Amino acid sequence: DQQVKQNSPSLSVQEGRISILNCDYTNSMFDYFLWYKKYPAEGPTFLISISSIKDKNEDGRFTVFLNKSAKHLSLHIVPSQPGDSAVYFCAASVGGGGADGLTFGKGTHLIIQP
Amino acid sequence: DGGITQSPKYLFRKEGQNVTLSCEQNLNHDAMYWYRQDPGQGLRLIYYSQIVNDFQKGDIAEGYSVSREKKESFPLTVTSAQKNPTAFYLCASSQGSQPQHFGDGTRLSIL
Repeated sequence: DQQVKQNSPSLSVQEGRISILNCDYTNSMFDYFLWYKKYPAEGPTFLISISSIKDKNEDGRFTVFLNKSAKHLSLHIVPSQPGDSAVYFCAASVGGGGADGLTFGKGTHLIIQP
Repeated sequence: DGGITQSPKYLFRKEGQNVTLSCEQNLNHDAMYWYRQDPGQGLRLIYYSQIVNDFQKGDIAEGYSVSREKKESFPLTVTSAQKNPTAFYLCASSQGSQPQHFGDGTRLSIL
């Protein structure tokens, strides 16, 4: 059973607009969440993370929001750029910042249209 | 340049043969991980090691084995007991509570 769900396999957004990628989780023990970006035939690259003691974390164009009561997090990219086209994975862990491994969603393929 | 090196990038093996995938890191990270990715799927944890000479099973360890004799190296052996070994294998490392850094993966195909 999937503990981390990304229900949109793909998302198309115009360049310059906001991209919003969503992620839901079922395990209430998860307390550390991350977003990774992945290009084909490469390893994932870390983007941004959030601890369960926060509800928002911002880094440049990237903001992650966490709603613990809804077990939902989202990644906002503003403004979207062509280089943002990639697969985005949501990941979660229990304690220790992921020391015991991460649980990943299936990913959302973001396509930025010119 | 610090990073994680996985070799080879592509690997072909005959059915029934064991195969070992290499993962080396020069980041001086204590923890190392192996994940598997199948088409349209997320990454799934195979094994991880938080310290030299110690490792733990992840969610899908059956048919795989690992060793951690050196801090910088964490090889993964895909044995003949793994029923569906064709996949993209990713190695990662981390230090403390920092995010995991990934290598560029090895694509294993069984002929």
